[in-house]
Amino acid sequence: DGGITQSPKYLFRKEGQNVTLSCEQNLNHDAMYWYRQDPGQGLRLIYYSQIVNDFQKGDIAEGYSVSREKKESFPLTVTSAQKNPTAFYLCASSKGLAGTEETQYFGPGTRLLVL
Amino acid sequence: AQKVTQAQTEISVVEKEDVTLDCVYETRDTTYYLFWYKQPPSGELVFLIRRNSFDEQNEISGRYSWNFQKSTSSFNFTITASQVVDSAVYFCALSDYKLSFGAGTTVTVRA
Repeated sequence: DGGITQSPKYLFRKEGQNVTLSCEQNLNHDAMYWYRQDPGQGLRLIYYSQIVNDFQKGDIAEGYSVSREKKESFPLTVTSAQKNPTAFYLCASSKGLAGTEETQYFGPGTRLLVL
Repeated sequence: AQKVTQAQTEISVVEKEDVTLDCVYETRDTTYYLFWYKQPPSGELVFLIRRNSFDEQNEISGRYSWNFQKSTSSFNFTITASQVVDSAVYFCALSDYKLSFGAGTTVTVRA
C-alpha cells in the first residue's frame, strides 16, 4: 500500500528538549512538506524539500530543523528554541513542488504536547 | 500575496440536509490551482478535488459538487443529502507559488 506514515502519533516534550518527528513516504514523490496546525486554524508551512539534500524554509521555520538524506524520509526536529510547540504536525508529499498542479497528500499527523 | 477565506467557521445540519461551504481566494497569478481537503476527527487530511484556473466547469462527484466562479474568485463546495460521516473540517486551498490554506469550516451532521 502506497502512503505516508508519521510517527509517533503522540509525542510529549519536556522544557528545553529537542524532539524529532518522523515522516516516511513510499509514493516515490520528489517533494515533501511539514505543516503545523493550531486549533481553529488552517495549516502553516514550516519547511519543504524538493529533492534530496535540499530544503527551504516555509512561513514559520523558526525553532524547527529538517533533513532530507533520503527521498523517502523527511524528519522534523522541534528544537528548544520553539517556545510554543504544542500543535498538530502534518507531513505531506507531492510528485512535484507546490506551485504547480501537483496535489499534496498527507500523513496521519503527530500531536505534540509539552509537559 | 495570496489569501484564502472560509468565512463560515462552523455549520451544523441535520442528516439529509444539503450543506454549502464557501471559499473565496485572492491571487495575482493567472495560472493557479484550487483544492478542497477533508479532515475527519482522525486528523489526516484527505484530498477531495483539484481545479485549475482555466477550467470553470462545475463538477459533481457522487454527493459532492463544486462551483468555481472566476469572476467572483470563489470555489464553493456542496454536500448533498449530508450524512453523519460527512462530519469533519473542510479546507479550501490555493496553489500558485505555494499552497495556502483557509482556516477551515467545521461541519457537524446530526442524526
